[in-house]
Amino acid sequence: GNSVTQMEGPVTLSEEAFLTINCTYTATGYPSLFWYVQYPGEGLQLLLKATKADDKGSNKGFEATYRKETTSFHLEKGSVQVSDSAVYFCALEYGNKLVFGAGTILRVKS
Amino acid sequence: DVKVTQSSRYLVKRTGEKVFLECVQDMDHENMFWYRQDPGLGLRLIYFSYDVKMKEKGDIPEGYSVSREKKERFSLILESASTNQTSMYLCASSLTGLREKLFFGSGTQLSVL
Repeated sequence: GNSVTQMEGPVTLSEEAFLTINCTYTATGYPSLFWYVQYPGEGLQLLLKATKADDKGSNKGFEATYRKETTSFHLEKGSVQVSDSAVYFCALEYGNKLVFGAGTILRVKS
Repeated sequence: DVKVTQSSRYLVKRTGEKVFLECVQDMDHENMFWYRQDPGLGLRLIYFSYDVKMKEKGDIPEGYSVSREKKERFSLILESASTNQTSMYLCASSLTGLREKLFFGSGTQLSVL
């Protein structure tokens, strides 16, 4: 079936460190891929997306590249801030629905 | 900005009670969704609706039903609450043609005792 696997957290980093959150997927065909972010006490919001192989989604300094050969969509940021502390969800679209991963908690210390 | 409002932030109910979770969106979105969020499991789709009076089962509909009498309102109903329905419930909406861009409410943390 269609599924998303994310690295387990929590991930704890110091401010200005490099961030990678791994995401791999299993799907029939070539789904669109997404990263959503959930800040404390809030609902999820779309961070970035990629709709086909080799596409790079980017927003707020975050980037992710759709890698068909490795079925991956890893989230990266060059220099994290305390305000990036949140839960990050990888997701794919199939049948007009979104399938979410388990989420990865990111904690950034000053 | 789109606003998706869930009626309660925290709710405590007893086993066997009928529970209503309400969700209202203010941007005339056609699509509305109910998810539950559990640690280690992420978000799982319970039910969704593409139009008024239309509903479709998601991945885990057992023990739930929904109602969409008006476009802006989508209700999740637990007919007889059980302890394994203790969870965070998230409502979301989207425009047709942009189904992947979901706007979420802040969630309702339901505890069933």
